[in-house]
Amino acid sequence: DTEVTQTPKHLVMGMTNKKSLKCEQHMGHRAMYWYKQKAKKPPELMFVYSYEKLSINESVPSRFSPECPNSSLLNLHLHALQPEDSALYLCASSQGFLAGELFFGEGSRLTVL
Amino acid sequence: GENVEQHPSTLSVQEGDSAVIKCTYSDSASNYFPWYKQELGKRPQLIIDIRSNVGEKKDQRIAVTLNKTAKHFSLHITETQPEDSAVYFCAASIEGGGADGLTFGKGTHLIIQP
Repeated sequence: DTEVTQTPKHLVMGMTNKKSLKCEQHMGHRAMYWYKQKAKKPPELMFVYSYEKLSINESVPSRFSPECPNSSLLNLHLHALQPEDSALYLCASSQGFLAGELFFGEGSRLTVL
Repeated sequence: GENVEQHPSTLSVQEGDSAVIKCTYSDSASNYFPWYKQELGKRPQLIIDIRSNVGEKKDQRIAVTLNKTAKHFSLHITETQPEDSAVYFCAASIEGGGADGLTFGKGTHLIIQP
C-alpha cells in the first residue's frame, strides 16, 4: 500500500463551525505533514510530525490544530476559520524526517463561507 | 531561509518536442532537489529527484541536471506527450538536516499542443 488517504475530499463550513480533516498512511513512514495549497500556487508547509511528535509549526494560526494519534494517523482540527482559509489541504508522509520522497494524499478541498 | 526561483511560469510546446524548466536556489547547503508533477485536480507526485553528489540523472524521457556552483537545476522532458501536460514544481531542501523542509518553486504550467 503506497497511498496516503484523506477524508473528506470536500468540506464546506461556516466561520463558527468546528470540523476535522483526517489522513492515514500504512507505509510505515515516520514523518507526516500538512500542507496548504491555493489555486495555481505551490504547497505551503504548515506542520510536520516526526515519530508522532510535532516537530515543525510554520507559524500557523491557532484556529488550525494538528493531532497525531498514532504513527499512521494525522488529523487537522479546524475552528473559527476565515474565508481566506479556503484552499486544498494536502497531507503527506515520508520515510524519514524531512528526507526523501513526499507521498501526498489527494487532498481535502475546504471552502469557508 | 532557502529561496527557489522557477522559470518559465508557462511553457507551451508541440507534441514530440522537448521541454526544459529551470530553477535556481539560494542556500548552498541545500543537497536534495526533487521535481513534482501535479495534474489538474490531482495530488503532486514525485517524478525525479537528484542529490548534490551527482550532476545528472535520467529516467526514460525525463532528466534532471544540477550545477552546484551556479546553484541551478533543470528538468528536461524529451518526446513530449499529451499526458505530460501538468504543473511542475521544483524544490530544494537540506535533506534530514534542515529546519523547514522542502522549499518549492512557484510552478511551471506545461502545455503540450497536439
